[in-house]
Amino acid sequence: DAGVIQSPRHEVTEMGQEVTLRCKPISGHNSLFWYRQTMMRGLELLIYFNNNVPIDDSGMPEDRFSAKMPNASFSTLKIQPSEPRDSAVYFCASSSPRTSGLETQYFGPGTRLLVL
Amino acid sequence: KQEVTQIPAALSVPEGENLVLNCSFTDSAIYNLQWFRQDPGKGLTSLLLIQSSQREQTSGRLNASLDKSSGRSTLYIAASQPGDSATYLCAVQRDDKIIFGKGTRLHILP
Repeated sequence: DAGVIQSPRHEVTEMGQEVTLRCKPISGHNSLFWYRQTMMRGLELLIYFNNNVPIDDSGMPEDRFSAKMPNASFSTLKIQPSEPRDSAVYFCASSSPRTSGLETQYFGPGTRLLVL
Repeated sequence: KQEVTQIPAALSVPEGENLVLNCSFTDSAIYNLQWFRQDPGKGLTSLLLIQSSQREQTSGRLNASLDKSSGRSTLYIAASQPGDSATYLCAVQRDDKIIFGKGTRLHILP
């Protein structure tokens, strides 16, 4: 398996523009997570899906952020409009069906976003 | 609110030495604790997962311990190698929440 795939790997955009980040989870995994990593705040869970359904989006910073998972093999994280403080590395991770609370997540390589 | 702390933020150790990385958490009601490795410009790789009922897990030169009552975990790396240089993060999970520490940046000196 190719692992979790994210695109683009790097994105530079101007403030106010819409940004769409994409993720393809590992085949057979039914949970998908979106994270944001910054030097100041570390790694933060934004939202996660189970069987394509959003379970917890309490980490989404504000209404400018939205995430979708239309099918088991694809998810998007959208920022509209983008702001300089959104600059960060965004990671997607996936995991196999949960058993007794155990969960090992497999991370993608991340998308490095810079908003000017 | 759960808080996860890793001290020190950075550590340099000569090659061959054994070392211990520390992780502390404020709420002992956790399902599990994981240690991850992150290389520069890369995603995270899970190293060890300790269930709340377990005390330790081992994988090769790595040993992770968990003391829930004191809110502490350690990652022991034996016979360190330059290839161990990376940032190590711990994370605790409960319900549908996972909280990460900010990591310890480890540099093994050749």
